[in-house]
Amino acid sequence: QKEVEQDPGPLSVPEGAIVSLNCTYSNSAFQYFMWYRQYSRKGPELLMYTYSSGNKEDGRFTAQVDKSSKYISLFIRDSQPSDSATYLCAMVPNAGGTSYGKLTFGQGTILTVHP
Amino acid sequence: DAGVTQSPTHLIKTRGQQVTLRCSPKSGHDTVSWYQQALGQGPQFIFQYYEEEERQRGNFPDRFSGHQFPNYSSELNVNALLLGDSALYLCASSLTGGASQETQYFGPGTRLLVL
Repeated sequence: QKEVEQDPGPLSVPEGAIVSLNCTYSNSAFQYFMWYRQYSRKGPELLMYTYSSGNKEDGRFTAQVDKSSKYISLFIRDSQPSDSATYLCAMVPNAGGTSYGKLTFGQGTILTVHP
Repeated sequence: DAGVTQSPTHLIKTRGQQVTLRCSPKSGHDTVSWYQQALGQGPQFIFQYYEEEERQRGNFPDRFSGHQFPNYSSELNVNALLLGDSALYLCASSLTGGASQETQYFGPGTRLLVL
């Protein structure tokens, strides 16, 4: 079983839709949670960064972390064709220890927003 | 503000050869991590360098080695290349001890093809 599971999709939505992207994880030591966006043939771009449980909003993007369920989500409101990309969740335990700096990624979800 | 840069962008090698990939971190960052991303997969952590030493290593064989220079730039070396080493190699930088030291910023990657 992978430490981080992410539905690879693909996910296709019309412009203006609300998009929900999700990851589950098994390692309860994970404390820091990130979402990256990766355009085709490019490097991942950091979108959101959350520590522990709770919500964080940045413009059209909202990240949620539910540590009790080991479940994280990214919501995109008013989706645009420019949001079409692969979305990767990533997580890491507390600083220090044997896993310091080692981001563990999900497989990535391919999202297409059509006009 | 200069982001993470990597060179070369593309590389073609044959089995058994050796390859060196290069990375310059984001301005102000002192820590470099390397990841391997196979097609359709999330990035896999190879290792991380801080203060010119390997601080953390993922599940990769000793054929993968690295180096960090006093100016924080880094190299990834892969010996005895296998067909399965074909992938996008990503460099990420961060600032150890910074306010968001868990966040890593990625370069565009080097796409390696082994024939």
